[in-house]
Amino acid sequence: DADVTQTPRNRITKTGKRIMLECSQTKGHDRMYWYRQDPGLGLRLIYYSFDVKDINKGEISDGYSVSRQAQAKFSLSLESAIPNQTALYFCATSDNRDGYGYTFGSGTRLTVV
Amino acid sequence: DQQVKQNSPSLSVQEGRISILNCDYTNSMFDYFLWYKKYPAEGPTFLISISSIKDKNEDGRFTVFLNKSAKHLSLHIVPSQPGDSAVYFCAATLGGSQGNLIFGKGTKLSVKP
Repeated sequence: DADVTQTPRNRITKTGKRIMLECSQTKGHDRMYWYRQDPGLGLRLIYYSFDVKDINKGEISDGYSVSRQAQAKFSLSLESAIPNQTALYFCATSDNRDGYGYTFGSGTRLTVV
Repeated sequence: DQQVKQNSPSLSVQEGRISILNCDYTNSMFDYFLWYKKYPAEGPTFLISISSIKDKNEDGRFTVFLNKSAKHLSLHIVPSQPGDSAVYFCAATLGGSQGNLIFGKGTKLSVKP
């Protein structure tokens, strides 16, 4: 099993729908992150969490919300999806003692039509 | 304003030759730098890193050079192999409790047989 698992891998949804992307990890890491990748724009941070009670906005949090249900689970929600949220979404984790290196999931490709 | 810049969106090299990927940064407080490699349909994976107190770190065919005065780092791959074809992301962090990684836009490396 992968250390960081994202579900679903692919999703097509309609404008205005609510959608949740899920992330779970088996690494025992405290820190979890959600990134978005767009062509030519690299990886941009949406939200991050340093522990279950700690949630922080990243660079591009508008239109998104998150929930840290447990140390191992961090979900990203789009309350009302819009086409410009079409992107590749990555979840990542890192160790609290060494926050430098991230372990990424395989990504969720989301298309909003 | 972009704090980590990869100004070359793509690079093509011949198998066996050297690949040099460049990265510039603007924040002199960054204390740790990393390179990630990403294949299609997969999440980024950690490749190599360097602390700001060093100017070189080597791992097999991969060497990262840091020039703090120029706020510039580079990744050298020698010799390049077709399996090295991927997108390479440069990342930097302030470290400690602010250990979020800030990524560049990526450079797509193509190594031709």
